Amino acid sequence: EIVMTQSPATLSVSPGERATLSCRASQSVSSNLAWYQQKPGQAPRLLIYGASTRATGIPARFSGSGSGTEFTLTISSLQSEDFAVYYCQQYNNWPQTFGQGTKLEIK
Amino acid sequence: EVQLVESGGGLVKPGGSLRLSCAASGFTFSSYSMNWVRQAPGKGLEWVSSISSSSSYIYYADSVKGRFTISRDNAKNSLYLQMNSLRAEDTAVYYCARVGTMIVVVGGWFDPWGQGTLVTVSS
Repeated sequence: EIVMTQSPATLSVSPGERATLSCRASQSVSSNLAWYQQKPGQAPRLLIYGASTRATGIPARFSGSGSGTEFTLTISSLQSEDFAVYYCQQYNNWPQTFGQGTKLEIK
Repeated sequence: EVQLVESGGGLVKPGGSLRLSCAASGFTFSSYSMNWVRQAPGKGLEWVSSISSSSSYIYYADSVKGRFTISRDNAKNSLYLQMNSLRAEDTAVYYCARVGTMIVVVGGWFDPWGQGTLVTVSS
C-alpha cells in the first residue's frame, strides 16, 4: 500500500498570504494525484487532478505541482473561504490512498 | 446538475448489517465507475470500494473485504454498499463519489461527492 504523508499537519497563515501544502508518496505515483478541500460538515471538493490540472470552477489561485513522490498545493493569496482541511489522494495503485490531511487555519 | 444522494445510514449493533444506497442524477450513470469513501468522526478520508461502469471490475479496501459488497443498478441510476458483520471501527460518514472521468475503466480522482450518510455501530 502506498502511504501518503502530508505536511504540515496544521498551517497557520494570514489572509492574503501564500500557503504551501506538501504531500509525499512512499513510492512513485507518477502524476496520478488529486487534491481535495473539505470544510466542516461538508463533503470533500475536488481541487486538482493529474497533479496540476485545476478542476472545473476552481479559482486560479489554487495550483498543484510535482510528480513521482513529491507534490505541492499552493494557494497564492488566501481568501477567508480557503481555510479548511486539504487532502491529497493517489490513484496510481490499488488501494487508492489519502494523506492524513493538512488543516489550514487563520493566523 | 450532477447530484449524488446517499441514504440508508443509521445506528446498528456490532455484528449487524446495513445497506447504503446512492441515487445519481444529472449524468449518464452507466458510463462512470463509482466509489465509496468513508470518514470516521474527526478523522481523515478512507477509500472503501470501487466498481466499474459495467460492474466487471470491483475493488475493496482490506479493512472491509469479505464483509462489504458494492453493487450498482444502471437502470435505476443507483449505487449500493451492503455492509455485514459491522464493527465499531466501521462507524463513519460514508460518501458516494463518482470517478472524475469516463476515460478510465475504474480508479481515478473523485468528483463529485455526495453529502454522506452516517453509520454508527454501537451496542
